[in-house]
Order: sequence, then C-alpha cells, then structure tokens
Amino acid sequence: DQQVKQNSPSLSVQEGRISILNCDYTNSMFDYFLWYKKYPAEGPTFLISISSIKDKNEDGRFTVFLNKSAKHLSLHIVPSQPGDSAVYFCAAHIGSYQLTFGKGTKLSVIP
Amino acid sequence: DAGITQSPRHKVTETGTPVTLRCHQTENHRYMYWYRQDPGHGLRLIHYSYGVKDTDKGEVSDGYSVSRSKTEDFLLTLESATSSQTSVYFCAIRGTSGGQETQYFGPGTRLLVL
Repeated sequence: DQQVKQNSPSLSVQEGRISILNCDYTNSMFDYFLWYKKYPAEGPTFLISISSIKDKNEDGRFTVFLNKSAKHLSLHIVPSQPGDSAVYFCAAHIGSYQLTFGKGTKLSVIP
Repeated sequence: DAGITQSPRHKVTETGTPVTLRCHQTENHRYMYWYRQDPGHGLRLIHYSYGVKDTDKGEVSDGYSVSRSKTEDFLLTLESATSSQTSVYFCAIRGTSGGQETQYFGPGTRLLVL
C-alpha cells in the first residue's frame, strides 16, 4: 500500500513556464513533507519542505503548497529552466523522521 | 555537499556472496540511513541508525544487516546476495538546510548481482 503517490511519471514544460508537480498521500499522520530533485547517477538533493501546520512555503523559484483536507501537495517551479530537468521525489514523515518516498516524476524542461 | 561518501561506487558480484557497502560522513550526525532505489519504487528505507550501535529496521530490511561502530561509519551488509538485491543504494544523514529539516544523500552505490 503506497502511502505517498506521485501519479504522473513524467511532465514536459516549456522553458520560462510554470512546472507543477503533484503528490498525494494517504496517511493523515504525516507531519512533514519534503521535495527532492535527482539527476542521473547522483544522490537526491533537498529542494524544499513544509510542515503540516503550514499551507505554503516559498524558496526562490520553488513553492510548495499543502492541502491537508485533500491530502495533496504540489511543487511549483517558476520560471522553469532547462537545468530543472530531473526526477522529483515527494517524501513525507511522521515524527520519527523515517521518510516515505513517492515513485518520482521526471520533469523535462524544453528550451 | 554534506560530507557523505559511499564505497564502492560500483560493484558486480555473484549470487550467494557476501557484500558490504560503506557510508562515511564527516559531519558527526547522529542519524544515518540506508535506502535502495529501484525503477517504479522510488526510494525505500532498508535500515537506519540513531547512534553508535543503535539501529532499527526500515521498510525493506529482509536480507540486509547493518552495523555502526563509529559515528562516522554506517555499514550495510548483504549476507548472501541475491539478484533481487540488484539496485542503487543510497546512504543519507539527517540534517538541516536553511532552517528546514532534511536528509542529505550520498552519491550512491550501484550494485549488480549476477
């Protein structure tokens, strides 16, 4: 039973436009959510996170929105750049800090 | 760069042989983790450690053991490798980035079990 779901395996966006990556979760006990970016042959790198007590967190071009009632979060990248092309993972944890990851969404930003 | 190295970076082994992967950190972090990444599964937690000699199982711990005799080193052992353990293995440490709690990941070890 997958507790963190990224239902879109891939997404293509034009350079300069907004990229929106989505993530759904089933466990209402999750209290912290994170987004990671991963390039081929490298480890995941942390992008941004959000606590369950907030509904938005912004860091430069990256904004994460959390809708607790819908058990949904999204990552917005504005404007998208070719260097943003990577696999994006959504992750969540409950207190003990064991992360549960989604399967990832491959973002392609087209110049 | 969170000061995490993994060795070896690539390994090919045969079914039934023991394999040990090493994760080394220079940050003196208490929490360390081992994950595996497979197509269609994202990253899954194998084992984690919350201090020297303190470890616990994750989601996919069967067939794996870990040891942590020093703060800086976390070892993952496949006692008898199987083809289903062909994967990319990532080590991580718990830390903070810009005031946000996160995990930092190593570069990964690509393991092929023939």
